[in-house]
Amino acid sequence: EVQLVQSGAEVKKPGESLKISCKGSGYSFTNYWIAWVRQMPGKGLEWMGLIYPGDSNTRYSPSFQAQVTISVDRSISTAYLQWSSLKASDTAMYYCARPLLQGAGSYYNTWGQGTLVTVSS
Amino acid sequence: EIVMTQSPLSLPVTPGEPASISCRSSQSLLHSDGYNYLDWYLQKPGQSPQLLIYLASDRASGVPDRFSGSGSGTDFTLTISRVEAEDVGVYYCLQATQSPYTFGQGTKLEIK
Repeated sequence: EVQLVQSGAEVKKPGESLKISCKGSGYSFTNYWIAWVRQMPGKGLEWMGLIYPGDSNTRYSPSFQAQVTISVDRSISTAYLQWSSLKASDTAMYYCARPLLQGAGSYYNTWGQGTLVTVSS
Repeated sequence: EIVMTQSPLSLPVTPGEPASISCRSSQSLLHSDGYNYLDWYLQKPGQSPQLLIYLASDRASGVPDRFSGSGSGTDFTLTISRVEAEDVGVYYCLQATQSPYTFGQGTKLEIK
């Protein structure tokens, strides 16, 4: 079974760093893009960017380019989303997602369960 | 960046009746390869989003055939032929023709 399992909820203070994870299983991890999507409380979905684990090719939305870093560790089939200095406005649910087809950048048919990040002083 | 505009934002529907959601893009989504890279997702309450339609009109595996997608260029529609209670949630379109990919604002479907 194809699965994406995300790390657990986090509570952080402004200015702290954070790295959340998304572990893929049941498929060839290096052959499918992994996307990250933000959902702020009570709001819609926002596409943040994606990474191709095979060569770490990464694309960011300009809205998130300077705010986060997307990375991958192929040896443990895990993608990451990290912040160097969190802000209260980073409070949100973050989802990772995998496309239906190899090489495709969208049609995300597999989603992680979401990681809730709360940033509060 | 391509802006995706959905309408309506709220959609009350009586069970058994049809429903349609519109998604319009600020630029054409018709790629040079002939495909419109337009997906539809449903996010049920408390759940992760799920893929309904991709390439504007291809139904994802396991999606009931009462869901259909149509459109090309800048105008797209998701149609539910007969709404059921389990269809409640927020529907989003996503364009993937041009990076950065962008979602519509979402349409909340509720049962009357």
